[in-house]
Amino acid sequence: GQQVMQIPQYQHVQEGEDFTTYCNSSTTLSNIQWYKQRPGGHPVFLIQLVKSGEVKKQKRLTFQFGEAKKNSSLHITATQTTDVGTYFCAGMNSGGSNYKLTFGKGTLLTVNP
Amino acid sequence: EAGVAQSPRYKIIEKRQSVAFWCNPISGHATLYWYQQILGQGPKLLIQFQNNGVVDDSQLPKDRFSAERLKGVDSTLKIQPAKLEDSAVYLCASSLDTGRTTYNEQFFGPGTRLTVL
Repeated sequence: GQQVMQIPQYQHVQEGEDFTTYCNSSTTLSNIQWYKQRPGGHPVFLIQLVKSGEVKKQKRLTFQFGEAKKNSSLHITATQTTDVGTYFCAGMNSGGSNYKLTFGKGTLLTVNP
Repeated sequence: EAGVAQSPRYKIIEKRQSVAFWCNPISGHATLYWYQQILGQGPKLLIQFQNNGVVDDSQLPKDRFSAERLKGVDSTLKIQPAKLEDSAVYLCASSLDTGRTTYNEQFFGPGTRLTVL
């Protein structure tokens, strides 16, 4: 079945430093979604990427979808303490009659003020 | 707009007991999902409903887990009998689309934290 790998598992940064998490799928994806889960909270949708090579920005967050639609990345510029949480990528399978998301294990980001 | 509601928020049971979780999705959302999230891992899809029909339950341990979505709105997930390895957070999510399009932003509920002793 489809597998989504995410690295690193943990990342600790000083406030103001940049952060990047990478996501790789074993199969070609129809799209990829990113979610953020605060400690003790539930996943919250951040963005969806659909097109090959797509890049989207949300303030300090930059999301990329690879040309082959098998990998993606999330980059945060100048982290803040409010960025703390686990960032999950979730790949949507390509083909078939039903679309479902497969989540990666996530990257836990902690920020030292 | 009200979010996805789940109850209970916490449940502690002994192994071999049964337990049920309830979910009320966002009004008008056609698709409902139940996920299991074990500590330190990403959510794992257990079952996906489109209205009141099951569209994917390939990862549901059917010997002990069951779920239903009567009338295409609320849903319940049951575990009977529970095992130690069922300790996890059970998340319910819903999305507006039918699950057969490529865009389905999912809205998650707060989850039910299950501890099996």
